[in-house]
Amino acid sequence: SAVISQKPSRDICQRGTSLTIQCQVDSQVTMMFWYRQQPGQSLTLIATANQGSEATYESGFVIDKFPISRPNLTFSTLTVSNMSPEDSSIYLCSVVGGEGQGLEQYFGPGTRLTVT
Amino acid sequence: ELKVEQNPLFLSMQEGKNYTIYCNYSTTSDRLYWYRQDPGKSLESLFVLLSNGAVKQEGRLMASLDTKARLSTLHITAAVHDLSATYFCAASSGNTPLVFGKGTRLSVIA
Repeated sequence: SAVISQKPSRDICQRGTSLTIQCQVDSQVTMMFWYRQQPGQSLTLIATANQGSEATYESGFVIDKFPISRPNLTFSTLTVSNMSPEDSSIYLCSVVGGEGQGLEQYFGPGTRLTVT
Repeated sequence: ELKVEQNPLFLSMQEGKNYTIYCNYSTTSDRLYWYRQDPGKSLESLFVLLSNGAVKQEGRLMASLDTKARLSTLHITAAVHDLSATYFCAASSGNTPLVFGKGTRLSVIA
C-alpha cells in the first residue's frame, strides 16, 4: 500500500492568512487528489493534482483560492489562501495505488485547519 | 453526474446484532469502495469491489456489489463496540475521482 504523510497535521490560522499543506507519498503515483472534509460532513473533492500541469478543479473550487503544485510523482502541495472561518476543515491528500494494488485509493492522515 | 447515497445516516446497534448499510449510486460505476473513519482520524480502506456479484469479507464485515441494481451493501455480523465508527461508500468510473456518500455513523452499544 502507499504510505502518505501530510504536513502540518493541524494548524490554527488567522483570517486573511494563507496556509500551505504538503503531501508526500512513499512511491511514485500517477493520480493524486485533494479532498476537504468539513466538520461532521463527508468528503468533497477539491481538485486533481496533475504532475507537470495545472490542477483540475471541481465545481465550486478555484485556483486563486486553492493553488496546487505537483512538481513530481511523489509530492504535492495545497495552499488555502485568504482564509476565512468557513475554510475550517480537514484537508486530505489521496492517491490511487500503483500497479498490483488493485485500484486501491489511499488517504493521508489529514491536516486539521481551524481559522479564527 | 455520479451521485452516491447511503442509508441509514445514523445507526445505533446493540452488541451481537446484525445490520446492513446500503449504498446506491446513480450511474454506471466500475469501482465501489468502503472506508471506515474513526473520530479525528483519516480514512481506512475496507473493501474495493470491482465486478458484479463481488463479495468480500473481513472479520465481522462483508461487502457486496450488484452493478445491475447499482447497489452495494455492507453487512455487519454480531456487532461489537470496536466497530463504532463512520462508514463511507464511494464510487468511481473510469479514471474519474471518487464520489463519496454522506457516511453512516455507527454506534454499537452494550
